[in-house]
Amino acid sequence: ETGVTQSPTHLIKTRGQQVTLRCSSQSGHNTVSWYQQALGQGPQFIFQYYREEENGRGNFPPRFSGLQFPNYSSELNVNALELDDSALYLCASSRASGGAKTQYFGPGTRLLVL
Amino acid sequence: RKEVEQDPGPFNVPEGATVAFNCTYSNSASQSFFWYRQDCRKEPKLLMSVYSSGNEDGRFTAQLNRASQYISLLIRDSKLSDSATYLCVVNDAEYGNKLVFGAGTILRVKS
Repeated sequence: ETGVTQSPTHLIKTRGQQVTLRCSSQSGHNTVSWYQQALGQGPQFIFQYYREEENGRGNFPPRFSGLQFPNYSSELNVNALELDDSALYLCASSRASGGAKTQYFGPGTRLLVL
Repeated sequence: RKEVEQDPGPFNVPEGATVAFNCTYSNSASQSFFWYRQDCRKEPKLLMSVYSSGNEDGRFTAQLNRASQYISLLIRDSKLSDSATYLCVVNDAEYGNKLVFGAGTILRVKS
C-alpha cells in the first residue's frame, strides 16, 4: 500500500450539486496532485498543490478548485456538477514539487453524476 | 494529436509469451518517462521508470528513443498476474511534476 488515502470511496450526486473529495498524503510528502480518470482513458491532470499553494493546473474549468492544509492533506471541490464529471478521481502524493518525482496514488474516489 | 499515444489493445497472449507495448509522445521537451500498471478498478502503480540507456527489472525491459519520441515495454515469460492495463507516462515539459498519461494498453494473459 502507498499510504495515500482518499475519501469517500464512492459517491453519487445529481447535476448542479457540489462535491468535496479528500486526500491524505503519504507521510513525508508535501505535494499532492489530483487527476480525473474517465472510463477507458488515462488519468488527466487537474492541478497540484505544494506547500498549500496551487502549483500548476490542467485544462479544467474554475469550478474545479482545491485546497491543501498544513498537514499536506488536500481537498478537491467541484461545483455545478455535470454528467461528464462522472469519473474516478485520483490523488497522488510526492516528496517535493519540481521535476518528475515518483508519485504514489491513492485508491481513488468514484463519482457518479446523475 | 494526443500528447501520449498507445495502442489500446487488448493484447491476448498465452502464459509464457513475450509481449511488447509501444508508446509515442509529442513533446520533445519531456524529460522523464514511466510505465504504470493499473489493475481493474484500482489506482495506477509505478511499474518502472524508463531511461535512455534502457533498463530492466526482472521480466520487464523498458526502452526510450528520444529521437523518435518512442517508448517501449517488453514483458517476457508472461504470467496470469501480468493481466492489467499498462499506462505510458511522461512528465509535462512546463510543470515537471505533472504527469501526462496515455490511455493505456490492455494485456490479458491466458492459461
